[in-house]
Amino acid sequence: GESVGLHLPTLSVQEGDNSIINCAYSNSASDYFIWYKQESGKGPQFIIDIRSNMDKRQGQRVTVLLNKTVKHLSLQIAATQPGDSAVYFCADPQAAGGTSYGKLTFGQGTILTVHP
Amino acid sequence: GAGVSQSPSNKVTEKGKDVELRCDPISGHTALYWYRQSLGQGLEFLIYFQGNSAPDKSGLPSDRFSAERTGGSVSTLTIQRTQQEDSAVYLCASSLASSGGIYEQYFGPGTRLTVT
Repeated sequence: GESVGLHLPTLSVQEGDNSIINCAYSNSASDYFIWYKQESGKGPQFIIDIRSNMDKRQGQRVTVLLNKTVKHLSLQIAATQPGDSAVYFCADPQAAGGTSYGKLTFGQGTILTVHP
Repeated sequence: GAGVSQSPSNKVTEKGKDVELRCDPISGHTALYWYRQSLGQGLEFLIYFQGNSAPDKSGLPSDRFSAERTGGSVSTLTIQRTQQEDSAVYLCASSLASSGGIYEQYFGPGTRLTVT
């Protein structure tokens, strides 16, 4: 979704739990989405992406689900570890329209805290 | 190999002064992007350069902001007559290309700008 002011959603989990982070998008024509992880003091880091011809994509301990009907993305992290603590953003290169993939529009982000 | 580097890492300036922020992209990356991350607005796109094409400046918030990319490599973001609302972390990213294809954007650590 749009960033309209920063009261970031927070998710606090215990080490070993599974985490689910959600994101809504606005442009029904968007066909590609990306999840980024941002640790304190660092730039965002690519985690996983998904194209709209897929409903699900799996990586190492991460899965992204895409529901085009309700324009919703989720990032699932399995067996969450303290090193997963960070802010997680979804990004849509086509949120503002057009077909280019260069200009990322980021969601507001979710703060994930993993307790040992 | 070396990632995207930005300098300075921190910059404190007085209101009304001009500042220049530098980005060194990953060697061989033809696309370069600037984003801004602030508490009030989240992570927002500013401008991107793709090869020799005219840059997409659609995210620049005012005419006080400008950027250039010399020799298809290093980029400088200039903010003239800085205002307190310009305080933010300025992030640079680079990728192999952006037009017509999907390429991962690699982010630098950012420059934290504080306008007093």
